[in-house]
Amino acid sequence: AQSVTQPDIHITVSEGASLELRCNYSYGATPYLFWYVQSPGQGLQLLLKYFSGDTLVQGIKGFEAEFKRSQSSFNLRKPSVHWSDAAEYFCAVGGSNDYKLSFGAGTTVTVRA
Amino acid sequence: DADVTQTPRNRITKTGKRIMLECSQTKGHDRMYWYRQDPGLGLRLIYYSFDVKDINKGEISDGYSVSRQAQAKFSLSLESAIPNQTALYFCATRDPGTGANEQFFGPGTRLTVL
Repeated sequence: AQSVTQPDIHITVSEGASLELRCNYSYGATPYLFWYVQSPGQGLQLLLKYFSGDTLVQGIKGFEAEFKRSQSSFNLRKPSVHWSDAAEYFCAVGGSNDYKLSFGAGTTVTVRA
Repeated sequence: DADVTQTPRNRITKTGKRIMLECSQTKGHDRMYWYRQDPGLGLRLIYYSFDVKDINKGEISDGYSVSRQAQAKFSLSLESAIPNQTALYFCATRDPGTGANEQFFGPGTRLTVL
């Protein structure tokens, strides 16, 4: 069975500081991995995705994520957080033959001035 | 215009009422999905459809039904709403031609059942 764990329910970070959100997955084949962001009152926007190739993936809004197969992880990072990054972040896993994505429970990020 | 739209965006209803949530897409994708989001649980799949004649139950389909009226339209119904169906509902589409399960989400419908 496929699953995603996001160990941190809530993270508070100062504006300008770095941010790392953890994601661990369980998947029986080659995973396709995604990070989505949900800003308050908004839908889900795709930040970045990993299908194959370079394990360091660049996304929108200055985010990047690194796929580590040995650790079954796909952690999201941003070097310098902006107040507009306050949102809920979801990690998801799927595969080419899957009918669905499996989502983690989400991590809420609060940015303090 | 948005590629995936949902109506209504917000709805408050009472226990026992029938409710329909609608989803339309202009992406031309065959596959469409309905998820619900609850705090601390992430998104869970309710129903999905590969085309107009292919509709399947997801993880949590009890209490819900769907209708795929056309390639572009996928509606979710709550036949008799109950309070624990209060949630944020998302519609999504997928283009299977990409070879990967990238899904595109609508803005969501916030449903409150009193």
